[in-house]
Amino acid sequence: GAVVSQHPSWVICKSGTSVKIECRSLDFQATTMFWYRQFPKQSLMLMATSNEGSKATYEQGVEKDKFLINHASLTLSTLTVTSAHPEDSSFYICSARDMAGKGYTFGSGTRLTVV
Amino acid sequence: QKEVEQNSGPLSVPEGAIASLNCTYSDRGSQSFFWYRQYSGKSPELIMFIYSNGDKEDGRFTAQLNKASQYVSLLIRDSQPSDSATYLCALNAGNNRKLIWGLGTSLAVNP
Repeated sequence: GAVVSQHPSWVICKSGTSVKIECRSLDFQATTMFWYRQFPKQSLMLMATSNEGSKATYEQGVEKDKFLINHASLTLSTLTVTSAHPEDSSFYICSARDMAGKGYTFGSGTRLTVV
Repeated sequence: QKEVEQNSGPLSVPEGAIASLNCTYSDRGSQSFFWYRQYSGKSPELIMFIYSNGDKEDGRFTAQLNKASQYVSLLIRDSQPSDSATYLCALNAGNNRKLIWGLGTSLAVNP
């Protein structure tokens, strides 16, 4: 089945620094990738939708300059949290839709802690 | 009205019983429906998807879709303690194909 590899699985960074999270589709080409954030005991919140070779579409309330998304190839999308602050600490998860459009596969998630 | 509604639970069933999880939605144009399972601290994993009215079975899981009544359900037969998790209902809406999520139902299967 479709596999999405997400790295790192956890990261601790200092306030004010930037963190990059990678999401790779291993055995299929992902035309569209989705980035979610999930706070403890809350549901998934879609942050943005990225399509290969074009700009990401951000959900209302998500700062595009803070959460930089790059989807330069059909197998790789990255999310960079710039100038991270403690309130950005969360569980970030990517999801890819395969080209057949039948399913949405999730990466294993990245737990970000900003200290 | 929320776009996708689920009873937050917790739903508690004894081991071996059938767990029934329900989801209603508001957008009649919704095309595809998904059930995901999420364990605490983990990312969601797809259980099954359904497009057409009726039932779809996969092992111990059966998804049921009724577009006229705008609900989709998931039945888990012979529930096991390892099925204890949050079950998320999602549907596909709009041309950009993003998923619209329910808040999830917490299921506890008691040994």
